[in-house]
Amino acid sequence: QSVLTQPPSVSGAPGQRVTISCTGSSSNIGAGYDVHWYQQLPGTAPKLLIYGNNNRPSGVPDRFSGSKSGTSASLAITGLQAEDEADYYCQSYDSSLGGWVFGGGTKLTVL
Amino acid sequence: EVQLLESGGGLVQPGGSLRLSCAASGFAFSSYAMSWVRQAPGKGLEWVSTIRASGDNTYYADSVKGRFAISRDNSKNTLYLQMNSLRAEDTAVYYCAKVEGSWWLSLYFDYWGQGTLVTVSS
Repeated sequence: QSVLTQPPSVSGAPGQRVTISCTGSSSNIGAGYDVHWYQQLPGTAPKLLIYGNNNRPSGVPDRFSGSKSGTSASLAITGLQAEDEADYYCQSYDSSLGGWVFGGGTKLTVL
Repeated sequence: EVQLLESGGGLVQPGGSLRLSCAASGFAFSSYAMSWVRQAPGKGLEWVSTIRASGDNTYYADSVKGRFAISRDNSKNTLYLQMNSLRAEDTAVYYCAKVEGSWWLSLYFDYWGQGTLVTVSS
């Protein structure tokens, strides 16, 4: 059981907007530590998608955006495309555990 | 272009040892912290260990503390993970990742290797 809670799955039709939540606590997100997001396409290594809550690395489409408020963070994907079908993970630091932590992951299905 | 190439995975018996390597290229390896992250079959990502750029400071997840040791050779641009007293629950793909971030506790992993599979089984 991860200290960062994500929904196991979300889905949406092409062109739609979906959001993936990442719920933490006062020892991680709520303590002010940044949240980062990764995309893992089937059979491949994870790829950095969002860093520092809402920053996109070069090459990541602006259809992907991140936000953070209180003890939670969210990843939003607009204009959903078939190639967005993947697993998505949030990541932060937890002071109680004394280490970096990942959410359990969310499988995005494009209908 | 940043490249990270892991090697050393394989089948090992419970209680055995294995050393993973990660050859880095395309960036100033000695200037960056590095990490290992693992993923059990069909499961999510789990941070394992991180080492500072100089190699002076190391950090471990509770699940591997006392059994795993991270190290680096900056002259060879190579990261290592020595795994001892292996258990079935250590079975996973192990990824080497380059660390980035302006604030140490808010670090993130900006480049990943392709991973190497470690299977602990009798």
